[in-house]
This record gives sequence, structure tokens and C-alpha cells, in this order.
Amino acid sequence: GAGVSQSPSNKVTEKGKDVELRCDPISGHTALYWYRQSLGQGLEFLIYFQGNSAPDKSGLPSDRFSAERTGGSVSTLTIQRTQQEDSAVYLCASSLDTGYNQPQHFGDGTRLSIL
Amino acid sequence: AQSVSQHNHHVILSEAASLELGCNYSYGGTVNLFWYVQYPGQHLQLLLKYFSGDPLVKGIKGFEAEFIKSKFSFNLRKPSVQWSDTAEYFCAVTLNQGGKLIFGQGTELSVKP
Repeated sequence: GAGVSQSPSNKVTEKGKDVELRCDPISGHTALYWYRQSLGQGLEFLIYFQGNSAPDKSGLPSDRFSAERTGGSVSTLTIQRTQQEDSAVYLCASSLDTGYNQPQHFGDGTRLSIL
Repeated sequence: AQSVSQHNHHVILSEAASLELGCNYSYGGTVNLFWYVQYPGQHLQLLLKYFSGDPLVKGIKGFEAEFIKSKFSFNLRKPSVQWSDTAEYFCAVTLNQGGKLIFGQGTELSVKP
């Protein structure tokens, strides 16, 4: 079956521009997570959604970052007024739910480069 | 704050050598433990996981890990590595009832043929 799908796979943009990254989770998975993988910082949690509950935004690094999940499926991560330190690989993962015994399945990521 | 530490940043081994990658976490409550692997050019994949029960867990491709609660450790082992094990390995935890993964910094493993 299809895994977690992310688009675009690569994105190059100029500093100050806004970007949108998309994640399509595995069908039937109610939990969706965003992480960031960057040199020097490793893998960092950003935000997660579980069903209709309020998202856990505790990992978002600044108010320039936001995410939404429409219809309980596809999610979009938006970064406004991008800065060079936003350059990283943005990973999306999904799981059946947030229960402790549900492993997270990762997409291939979006490599974001800010010039 | 809760954290995960992986002691080795880069490990270089010859084929057939034994492997042990260290992982320690800092959290006094219930944790769920994971090892993920990222092969070159591929996405993160789950190697193995521990939730409860037998502290020695076996995963895919001959990997195993042992949870030692008193040491807050979850070290990954493989008796004999292969060139195809070349990858980056991440230890991670979720707290209590699950949710977000807290990752270690990763260990890059290079296996020489």
C-alpha cells in the first residue's frame, strides 16, 4: 500500500518568501506528525495532530511556522518569511493513532533550501 | 527536559564485526523505546521497538536491543554486520501514553566490505 507522501521533494526559495510543504498520510491514520532534520540539530519534533483534538504545537520554533490538517487527512506546513536557518529536511510521519504501541511511518521528506 | 543521547556519532566497522550502539534517555517515568534506521537516500524505517515485557527485543535484519531500566539505556546490537547495514541509526523515545518522538542525534554506521 501507499506510504506517507510528501511534496515537493525539494524546494529552493529566497530568504523572506513563504513556503508550503504538503503531507499526505497513510490512509486511515488519524495521527500526523511533522519533524525537522537539520545539521547540528538532529531530528526535532515540530507539531502533531490527532483526530479532531487540538494539535500539539509545542515544537514549533517560532510564530513564522504554522500547520493545518484539513478534513483529518492532508496536512500543510507553512513557513512565513523564511530565514536561512530554516534550511532543513522536513519530515512527515503518520500512525494509526498516538497510542504508545503505534509506530510512526515516515515519508521521504522535503528538502528546503533558503538562499 | 527529556532527552536522548547517542554516544557514538560515527562508527566504522569491517564486515562480520559485532555492533553495539549506545542510547541513553533522561526521563523517570514510563517510556516507549525505538530504534529507527535511515539507509542512504531512503526514509526513516522502524528497526525495533520496546513497550513492555521482555527487555530484550528483536527487530528486523538481525538487530536486537536490550532495555536496562536501571541504566536508562536501550543499546542496539548486531552480532555480525554486513555492508548493507551502512546507514544512520536513531534512537528515540515517546513518553507515557505515546505521541511525539524524541530523537537522539543519530549514529552514522559505515561498514567496510
